[in-house]
Amino acid sequence: QKEVEQNSGPLSVPEGAIASLNCTYSDRGSQSFFWYRQYSGKSPELIMFIYSNGDKEDGRFTAQLNKASQYVSLLIRDSQPSDSATYLCAVYLLTGGGNKLTFGTGTQLKVEL
Amino acid sequence: ETGVTQTPRHLVMGMTNKKSLKCEQHLGHNAMYWYKQSAKKPLELMFVYNFKEQTENNSVPSRFSPECPNSSHLFLHLHTLQPEDSALYLCASSQDPGQGSTEAFFGQGTRLTVV
Repeated sequence: QKEVEQNSGPLSVPEGAIASLNCTYSDRGSQSFFWYRQYSGKSPELIMFIYSNGDKEDGRFTAQLNKASQYVSLLIRDSQPSDSATYLCAVYLLTGGGNKLTFGTGTQLKVEL
Repeated sequence: ETGVTQTPRHLVMGMTNKKSLKCEQHLGHNAMYWYKQSAKKPLELMFVYNFKEQTENNSVPSRFSPECPNSSHLFLHLHTLQPEDSALYLCASSQDPGQGSTEAFFGQGTRLTVV
């Protein structure tokens, strides 16, 4: 089982719609969760992080975490063409040896005019 | 400017060459990572250093050799690479969880081409 799983997509949504991106993780000891956006040929940039169960909102973005189900999601409201990118879910785990930040494969999002 | 600087941005090397990638972070973080991203493949964790100590080696071939002389600098020494090693190599850093948030910040990457 992969440590962090995402649907690779592409996920296509019309401009102005809500895009919903999902991620599951395997280690129940995972402590914090991140969403990164990566444009083609560029490095990932952090969008949001969440530590506690529930929702966290930041502008058009909402992260949702359910530790019991080992599930984290990202909602993008009023999707714009500039949101078209690959979205990476990352999970942080503190192991006996130190930090470990593991990424999913990413979901490609396409926002169409 | 993300606070994490990688050099060089682009590198072309032959299979018999030896080269090094450099990463420097100015964020006061104590964990640094090397990731490999090949075309149409996910981000692959290669190495993790915490407080200058290597804590993760994700089954990486010995032709890749990391070095972390201090918490601010990370190197990836390359020798006798193969064409399939051509990829974007990304460095990242993060903070100890006891001292704040743990999100990782990435450098701009080194685009490596092995010929």
